[in-house]
Amino acid sequence: DIQMTQSPSSLSASVGDRVTITCRASQSIASYLHWYQQKPGKAPNLLIYAASNLQSGVTSRFSGSGYGTDFTLTISSLQPEDFATYYCQQSYNLPGTFGQGTKVEIK
Amino acid sequence: QVQLRESGPGLVKPSGTLSLTCAVSGGSITSTNWWSWVRQSPGKGLEWIAEIYHTGSANYNPSLRSRATISLDKSQNQFSLNLSSVTAADTAIYYCAKDRPATAPFYNWFQSWGQGTLVTVSS
Repeated sequence: DIQMTQSPSSLSASVGDRVTITCRASQSIASYLHWYQQKPGKAPNLLIYAASNLQSGVTSRFSGSGYGTDFTLTISSLQPEDFATYYCQQSYNLPGTFGQGTKVEIK
Repeated sequence: QVQLRESGPGLVKPSGTLSLTCAVSGGSITSTNWWSWVRQSPGKGLEWIAEIYHTGSANYNPSLRSRATISLDKSQNQFSLNLSSVTAADTAIYYCAKDRPATAPFYNWFQSWGQGTLVTVSS
């Protein structure tokens, strides 16, 4: 299985901050990397697909980049509703595998 | 917008079989999408279990292949998961999800999720 490693595991930030989360794959996965947001008690919600494509209905504060093994999710200006846990997931091959998550908390 | 809803027992005894159903509304299970089960536990995080296409074609996570069976019921517009020989390690929130279109150049791509159902394995 392809291993996905996110960093940091958690971070504290203030409203208005620019936040960057990284995700590294154990082998090249081309651009087959997706990002999800999960709030407590809710299911994950797709934010970005295929590394850099914004899912319909998702605010443009979120952006993604990367190719191969290294990827980033950026929140341009953190808003109160963005405090959540973020997961990356590769779909280069089966089984699709997830990172361990990055929890974004209020500073 | 498709909606998914999981249902099934919240408590299963060790060595028993976990059985869950996902009802799909707002769209047809015979569309060109795959349909998946994903689980989440504190110990293992998010884990993809299996996927199925309306033709009956299915794929499984190798780690669960020997115990998992995914199926679908077109007449009821729903799909199901059976997981046999469960242990405490199978305690998790189980989600069903709308997965990738058949034309996608990649695999698991979870576009819509159910709200999840907690299944506890305990005697």
